[in-house]
Amino acid sequence: AQTVTQSQPEMSVQEAETVTLSCTYDTSESDYYLFWYKQPPSRQMILVIRQEAYKQQNATENRFSVNFQKAAKSFSLKISDSQLGDAAMYFCAYRISGNFGNEKLTFGTGTRLTIIP
Amino acid sequence: DTGVSQDPRHKITKRGQNVTFRCDPISEHNRLYWYRQTLGQGPEFLTYFQNEAQLEKSRLLSDRFSAERPKGSFSTLEIQRTEQGDSAMYLCASSWGRSGNEQFFGPGTRLTVL
Repeated sequence: AQTVTQSQPEMSVQEAETVTLSCTYDTSESDYYLFWYKQPPSRQMILVIRQEAYKQQNATENRFSVNFQKAAKSFSLKISDSQLGDAAMYFCAYRISGNFGNEKLTFGTGTRLTIIP
Repeated sequence: DTGVSQDPRHKITKRGQNVTFRCDPISEHNRLYWYRQTLGQGPEFLTYFQNEAQLEKSRLLSDRFSAERPKGSFSTLEIQRTEQGDSAMYLCASSWGRSGNEQFFGPGTRLTVL
């Protein structure tokens, strides 16, 4: 079974600084997707960034980038120039690739990110 | 607002009662998912629909739980004979097109079983 582990329950960072959230996963599959989702307090979950396992290039979305290490099964999220609006729970998630079936996302337990003004 | 909507947002019920939640996905999204999130945990997959067909169910979905998506649009999740352990946030998500496309989440229904 696939598992996703986030070993940092809480992180904090000064506004405008950079922070890295860690995620490791376990799978025997070779083709899969990895995601980082953000869940602000009392608001719905939104996708931050997505990585396809067959792509060696790390995904980047504006201030958000990932460090994808397939052999190590590691998928960390780097947030640059942290802003107050980045404060939220961040969930790492995994899903196997392929159509029609195996659609479920497997989530980690989350990291609560606090931004210090 | 064209996002995923869920109703009700909050539900308080007594143990043993039945409850039903509704999810309206983004228009034309053919895939719909239900997840459950307990305090301090990440969401856990419950079930998934492609149009009106329920294609995958988690072992978490006991026989007290039933989900439907009768016309391939909105979906309902019913819990019969609720237990205190059913207290959680129930999240709905939808996506379209090919596998791997983003799942858009709704605001969730928070269930409290007394």
